Amino acid sequence: NAGVTQTPKFQVLKTGQSMTLQCAQDMNHNSMYWYRQDPGMGLRLIYYSASEGTTDKGEVPNGYNVSRLNKREFSLRLESAAPSQTSVYFCASSHRVFVFFGQGTRLTVV
Amino acid sequence: ELKVEQNPLFLSMQEGKNYTIYCNYSTTSDRLYWYRQDPGKSLESLFVLLSNGAVKQEGRLMASLDTKARLSTLHITAAVHDLSATYFCAVDTYSGGGADGLTFGKGTHLIIQP
Repeated sequence: NAGVTQTPKFQVLKTGQSMTLQCAQDMNHNSMYWYRQDPGMGLRLIYYSASEGTTDKGEVPNGYNVSRLNKREFSLRLESAAPSQTSVYFCASSHRVFVFFGQGTRLTVV
Repeated sequence: ELKVEQNPLFLSMQEGKNYTIYCNYSTTSDRLYWYRQDPGKSLESLFVLLSNGAVKQEGRLMASLDTKARLSTLHITAAVHDLSATYFCAVDTYSGGGADGLTFGKGTHLIIQP
């Protein structure tokens, strides 16, 4: 029972490099989300997708792009990484009131 | 803009004591979530509160929701060391057209000392 799976778990990037964080859920949920967590800040919503084929900006979308590839997968792309994007990234999916989080990706930009 | 405020942000308490964490939010919402997070881990769902007056209990933790006051509380009874963690409340900005994501408080870092 995998739930929400994120890859990679850890990543170090140099400033200016690009990368894509992958997220997949096996629960047939319509809604998926990307959050970032910084120390003392709680989680903040980057982008979300209410259903396959739709995406919307959250609270902190600048510097990120997303793709809802299909119902299962929702990826987050950093086109040109900056040190301010050092954070822990969580993907989540939801069905009605229940929200399920992945294990997180710890990203460091140097 | 929805704001969610937790207090206290840091709490050190002794085993066996009782304490309450408060979560205030700024706009109308009928869904409030409580999560627990251990260091380096993901979020563990504790409670989902869906209506005014909702009260849920699991072991030494009890959560309640007052939608009129826009306030939720997480009460810890007879704390034990295993409850040391960071606790987050989050409010759903569900608009009826789809799930718009959660707005989180900054978290309460709870340390329970023997």
